[in-house]
Amino acid sequence: DSGVTQTPKHLITATGQRVTLRCSPRSGDLSVYWYQQSLDQGLQFLIQYYNGEERAKGNILERFSAQQFPDLHSELNLSSLELGDSALYFCASNREGSYNEQFFGPGTRLTVL
Amino acid sequence: AQSVTQLGSHVSVSEGALVLLRCNYSSSVPPYLFWYVQYPNQGLQLLLKYTSAATLVKGINGFEAEFKKSETSFHLTKPSAHMSDAAEYFCAVSEGQGGKLIFGQGTELSVKP
Repeated sequence: DSGVTQTPKHLITATGQRVTLRCSPRSGDLSVYWYQQSLDQGLQFLIQYYNGEERAKGNILERFSAQQFPDLHSELNLSSLELGDSALYFCASNREGSYNEQFFGPGTRLTVL
Repeated sequence: AQSVTQLGSHVSVSEGALVLLRCNYSSSVPPYLFWYVQYPNQGLQLLLKYTSAATLVKGINGFEAEFKKSETSFHLTKPSAHMSDAAEYFCAVSEGQGGKLIFGQGTELSVKP
């Protein structure tokens, strides 16, 4: 158990819909990272937050957005969903001075029908 | 730009045989390097990390990896495979103490009885 929690575990929805994925980092970790894992793209970095502020952006679509709240949990919002958005979405967290060792949650499996 | 290449998307070994999973990286600065393991329907678990302290790094479950700067490699080995080692393994690189991890495409390890 990494200490990172993600909800829900599974999500099935239809094209055009909007969903919210939730992540709680390990206690004491200020950074949260979101990654997408798909068969064709592999593991891709989406976005990073540090103590409530966006710190880095990767290959994140404009239809996707994220935020980190004062209690440090983070949410990833996916809108106007397409079939190609079906993937595993992972959240990871770490703290400063940890050589960037990231601890991953169990993931949310999103299926868009 | 940083990148990671894992040679072989699938490796099959017999139980008790040597495991060797190959990883080559590209980085313009001294990198931090990681190996993660992903069991079916689970998140990523850190096996080991290289942070420039020692070139031979020992991790969990009997795995180790050697950093070779001249070959830009960070291959993962285990002297004797166990059935429970069957999983997908990811090599990752980071340029600094914060920021995204860049992952290789993964190597699926099968262990035959």
